[in-house]
Amino acid sequence: GENVEQHPSTLSVQEGDSAVIKCTYSDSASNYFPWYKQELGKRPQLIIDIRSNVGEKKDQRIAVTLNKTAKHFSLHITETQPEDSAVYFCAATPGGSQGNLIFGKGTKLSVKP
Amino acid sequence: DTGVSQDPRHKITKRGQNVTFRCDPISEHNRLYWYRQTLGQGPEFLTYFQNEAQLEKSRLLSDRFSAERPKGSFSTLEIQRTEQGDSAMYLCASSFQGGSTYEQYFGPGTRLTVT
Repeated sequence: GENVEQHPSTLSVQEGDSAVIKCTYSDSASNYFPWYKQELGKRPQLIIDIRSNVGEKKDQRIAVTLNKTAKHFSLHITETQPEDSAVYFCAATPGGSQGNLIFGKGTKLSVKP
Repeated sequence: DTGVSQDPRHKITKRGQNVTFRCDPISEHNRLYWYRQTLGQGPEFLTYFQNEAQLEKSRLLSDRFSAERPKGSFSTLEIQRTEQGDSAMYLCASSFQGGSTYEQYFGPGTRLTVT
């Protein structure tokens, strides 16, 4: 089945710097890759997603890139702010599934003011 | 409130007891998913409904777990004979099958503690 690996597990940056989180997946038929932000004690929130027919997507300070050949995708956050501090999860929808998500183990991002 | 809701938010039970959780999806969403999340981990898929039909189950869903969505609206997840290893956050998510969208929106979760 699908396996999603996420790195790093923790990331600390200074306010204003960029942050990059990387994920790899194993199922070449996976076709949907969302990113979720989860603050302590709260629900995961969808922040951006990308489909397998697109290489890059951007939404203000957040961007996601997808390399299907290498089977990896990345989250880029520019001009980080303290409120970006949270745990970020990548996920993939395995080929042939009905949309259930396989998640990575998460990256705890700390943005220091 | 137009988001996904779950009830109860917290449940403490003794080992061996049965528990039931409820999820109310976003009203126009026809797909509903259950996930389990333990501390420091990402959510793990348990099962999925399209309307009232349960279409997919993870191998994580043992015989003690059962889920229903009788009228294609709210869903319940029951755990029988709870074990300490069942302690986790149980998350529900919903999405709308239409066009090419797969976006899933999560509820606040039910935190289960088995003592």
